[in-house]
Formats: sequence, C-alpha cells, structure tokens
Amino acid sequence: DIQMTQSPSSLSASVGDRVTITCQASQDISNYLNWYQQKPGKAPKLLIYDASNLETGVPSRFSGSGSGTDFTFTISSLQPEDIATYYCQQYDNLPVTFGPGTKVDIK
Amino acid sequence: QVQLVQSGAEVKKPGASVKVSCKASGYTFTSYGISWVRQAPGQGLEWMGWISAYNGNTNYAQKLQGRVTMTTDTSTSTAYMELRSLRSDDTAVYYCARERGLELNAFDIWGQGTMVTVSS
Repeated sequence: DIQMTQSPSSLSASVGDRVTITCQASQDISNYLNWYQQKPGKAPKLLIYDASNLETGVPSRFSGSGSGTDFTFTISSLQPEDIATYYCQQYDNLPVTFGPGTKVDIK
Repeated sequence: QVQLVQSGAEVKKPGASVKVSCKASGYTFTSYGISWVRQAPGQGLEWMGWISAYNGNTNYAQKLQGRVTMTTDTSTSTAYMELRSLRSDDTAVYYCARERGLELNAFDIWGQGTMVTVSS
C-alpha cells in the first residue's frame, strides 16, 4: 500500500496568514493526489483534485502543487471559516489511501 | 441538486451485520462510481472499497475482503454497503462518496455519513 504522510499534524495561525501543508507519498503517484477539508461533525469536502486543480465553487485562496512524491497545499490568506482538518489522498494505486490529516486552527 | 443521502444510525452487537444505503439524486447514477469511506471516532479516513454504478464492478480494501459487499440498485439510484461479522473496531461513521467519473478518482460528492456503533 502507498503510505501518505502529512506535516505538520497541526498548526495554529492568525487570520490572514499564509498556511502551507505538505504531503508525501511513499512512491511516485504522478499527480493522482487530492485534498479535502473536513469540519467537525461533517463529511469531507473536495478542494483540490489531481494535485493542482481547484474544485468548482472552492475559493481561490486554496491551491495545490506538486507531482511524484511531494505535494503542497496552501491557503493564501487564512479565514476563520477555514478551521478544519485537511487530508491528502492518493488514487494512483489501490487501495486508495489518505494522509493522517492536518488540523488547522486560529491563533 | 446533486446529493447522496444515507440511511440512519445503527447500533449492532458484535458478530452481527449492517447494511447502509446511499441514495443518489440530481445526476445520472450509472455514469459514476461510488466509494465507501469510514472514520472511526477521532481518527482519520479509511477507504473501504469502490463500486461502478455502470456495471457493478467492485474493488475492496484487502483488510475487509470477505466481510464487505457493495452493491447498487440502478432502478432506485441507490448504493449499498454491507459489513458482516462486526467487531468493536468497526464502530465508525460510514460515508459514501461519488467519484468524479466512472473510475477511481476524486470524491466530489459525499453523503452525510451514517454512524454505526458496535457494542454488546
């Protein structure tokens, strides 16, 4: 199975800050990497697909980049409504696997 | 609008089975795949498997092989996930999620989740 790691596991930032989360795959997954946001008690929400494509309706402050084994997710200007846990997910190889998540809150 | 609506919470005893439903609306059901993802309390996301709503092809996570069955009813646009021989560590919220296409892809629409509690 492809192992996904994320760092940091949690972070606190101020409103307006730039926030960056990294995700690393245990082997080359090309660009078959997606990012989700999950708020407490809610289902995950797709933000970024295929490493860098913004899902329809998602604010442009969210972005993704990378290919191969190393990926980055960025919130350009953190907003209070962005408080959530963020997961990366690969679908290059079965089984589909998720990263352990990064919890983001407001300082 | 495009949505997936899941069945309600379940409480089961160890060794029992549970069947969760996921009714799709607002799109052509047979043009997409459905994956099932679960989340134990306070834990991360675990992919359980996938079914093509077009032809019923499935692919299950190895750790659940033999205990899980995913099916669809195209007449009602509903997907089902049955998990047998339940154990306490199957206690989780179970989500269905639509793939962006027929094959494995990003999960662009999610159900609201179904809490399954396994307890004696």
